Amino acid sequence: DAGITQSPRYKITETGRQVTLMCHQTWSHSYMFWYRQDLGHGLRLIYYSAAADITDKGEVPDGYVVSRSKTENFPLTLESATRSQTSVYFCASTPDWAYNEQFFGPGTRLTVL
Amino acid sequence: KQEVTQIPAALSVPEGENLVLNCSFTDSAIYNLQWFRQDPGKGLTSLLLIQSSQREQTSGRLNASLDKSSGRSTLYIAASQPGDSATYLCAVRGGQNFVFGPGTRLSVLP
Repeated sequence: DAGITQSPRYKITETGRQVTLMCHQTWSHSYMFWYRQDLGHGLRLIYYSAAADITDKGEVPDGYVVSRSKTENFPLTLESATRSQTSVYFCASTPDWAYNEQFFGPGTRLTVL
Repeated sequence: KQEVTQIPAALSVPEGENLVLNCSFTDSAIYNLQWFRQDPGKGLTSLLLIQSSQREQTSGRLNASLDKSSGRSTLYIAASQPGDSATYLCAVRGGQNFVFGPGTRLSVLP
């Protein structure tokens, strides 16, 4: 499928478990992003990547790890999930930082029990 | 630190009305501003992107303006329809971050 996809769409896990959320885009966009969306906080940037093997922290990076070995994939890992990480996670991509639209995936709803 | 606010938080209008959604930001050093809509339980759909050098952008019934010096953008929706019901978010892109506003929840009543 063309565009940006996320998997799984829904995930329930327990406190302390490792969870990986996947993001895949077919446009070969250079930049990819992970956001979380919470009531009362809106969308907040967790991490972003400018290219393969280049990542940087956003506003709320603690408790998350990212990697980008291939341009099209940008997985987000919660190494030891906490209840405060219950949220909806969105992946996004754009060709460049300054001039083009950002496109979003459908989201992953994560519940940490 | 960039802060983005949106007024009103919620808006309910009868079908056919023209309406304006507002977005304000505190740091005028931005590359661009993007408007999105989000339907319940869904991802974000891009509506319009305005570069910092532009004053407005139009797409169909939507018109977005940008006044960078005053830190304001407006999204004008003409002849609103029930299908326009959604949450509308603005996002500003600065040097090192993307910052989203909290959104305006719009309901267009038939």
